[in-house]
Amino acid sequence: AQSVTQLGSHVSVSEGALVLLRCNYSSSVPPYLFWYVQYPNQGLQLLLKYTSAATLVKGINGFEAEFKKSETSFHLTKPSAHMSDAAEYFCAVAPKRQAGTALIFGKGTTLSVSS
Amino acid sequence: ETGVTQSPTHLIKTRGQQVTLRCSSQSGHNTVSWYQQALGQGPQFIFQYYREEENGRGNFPPRFSGLQFPNYSSELNVNALELDDSALYLCASSRGGTGELFFGEGSRLTVL
Repeated sequence: AQSVTQLGSHVSVSEGALVLLRCNYSSSVPPYLFWYVQYPNQGLQLLLKYTSAATLVKGINGFEAEFKKSETSFHLTKPSAHMSDAAEYFCAVAPKRQAGTALIFGKGTTLSVSS
Repeated sequence: ETGVTQSPTHLIKTRGQQVTLRCSSQSGHNTVSWYQQALGQGPQFIFQYYREEENGRGNFPPRFSGLQFPNYSSELNVNALELDDSALYLCASSRGGTGELFFGEGSRLTVL
């Protein structure tokens, strides 16, 4: 069965610092991988997705993630944090044959950004 | 382009009651998925509808049921509500298997 582990339920950074949110997956076959962001009292918004093309994926708002099969990881990074990046971030995995549906989400990481 | 809309945004029910949540999918999308997000947790897949048929279901009991209509809008029904059903219910639409779900803002259900 597929699963997702997000290391660190809460990450705090200073404005302008590097953001690194960790995600490891378990899957018997190379999956589709996603990062979503959720702002307070809102639904989820797709940041980026990996669908077996380039291993380095660029998303919206300056975020990117690198798929590393050997480490079964898909960590999310942003070179310089902005106050508006404060939100809940979810990593998710899906079987290739069901791309975009039946996503399995991690428990989420809350990102706090201080000035 | 109209996004995914859900109603109601908030509601309170008591144990044993029934609830219906509604979702209008994004224009051009024929697939609707429902997720339950408990406080402090990631969303959990309930089920998915494609062209009015359920074609995928997560680990939820039969008292969770749904419908999809010809215009691709959808309903989630929960019977015999339990306290643990208190959660944010998220609807997401997609254009088949494109790999991207578009989420609504959710319906927050409180069961007392």
